[in-house]
Amino acid sequence: DVKVTQSSRYLVKRTGEKVFLECVQDMDHENMFWYRQDPGLGLRLIYFSYDVKMKEKGDIPEGYSVSREKKERFSLILESASTNQTSMYLCASKRTGSTDTQYFGPGTRLTVL
Amino acid sequence: DQQVKQNSPSLSVQEGRISILNCDYTNSMFDYFLWYKKYPAEGPTFLISISSIKDKNEDGRFTVFLNKSAKHLSLHIVPSQPGDSAVYFCAAAWTGTASKLTFGTGTRLQVTL
Repeated sequence: DVKVTQSSRYLVKRTGEKVFLECVQDMDHENMFWYRQDPGLGLRLIYFSYDVKMKEKGDIPEGYSVSREKKERFSLILESASTNQTSMYLCASKRTGSTDTQYFGPGTRLTVL
Repeated sequence: DQQVKQNSPSLSVQEGRISILNCDYTNSMFDYFLWYKKYPAEGPTFLISISSIKDKNEDGRFTVFLNKSAKHLSLHIVPSQPGDSAVYFCAAAWTGTASKLTFGTGTRLQVTL
């Protein structure tokens, strides 16, 4: 079974703090993704990576950066957290194959005060 | 610009009846469609998919129908069970891109006894 894990289930941070969200997958998938889920907006893609050290912007990259130094790990960084970044953050991974499915982690509920 | 739309935010169905969840898309480049199911405090899990070369795909109680001319797909669940109560997201992809999915806003299905 594919396993995608995220470092925290719940996180509370202060405005202006630097926040790191970590994601690890154990199935040697090439592609990894970060989404945020907000009520009424569905899942929106922040960034994705199709290989180590490669990254591409998704639909809402502003205020975020990412790092992928190892194949199994994809980090999302909030350089200076703001209250409008309070959200559920979901990581996913998939093999390179046009119809392969994405596998999601359990999510991190981030609250920025 | 919402390229994938789920116009019903919620749906309530009695146990044993059919649940029909709808999804519309605007981008004619999309050629692969998926449905994901999400329980609270968990990541989305893949349910069923369909390629644009088909108009129907069935897997047990779940059937997805695709109407390309109308740019519309639907998920049928027959018979509905209480365990089906969850948020359902449709997603679309163009297989020519690097694995990127575009998600709808989700429909919360409640199956009542």
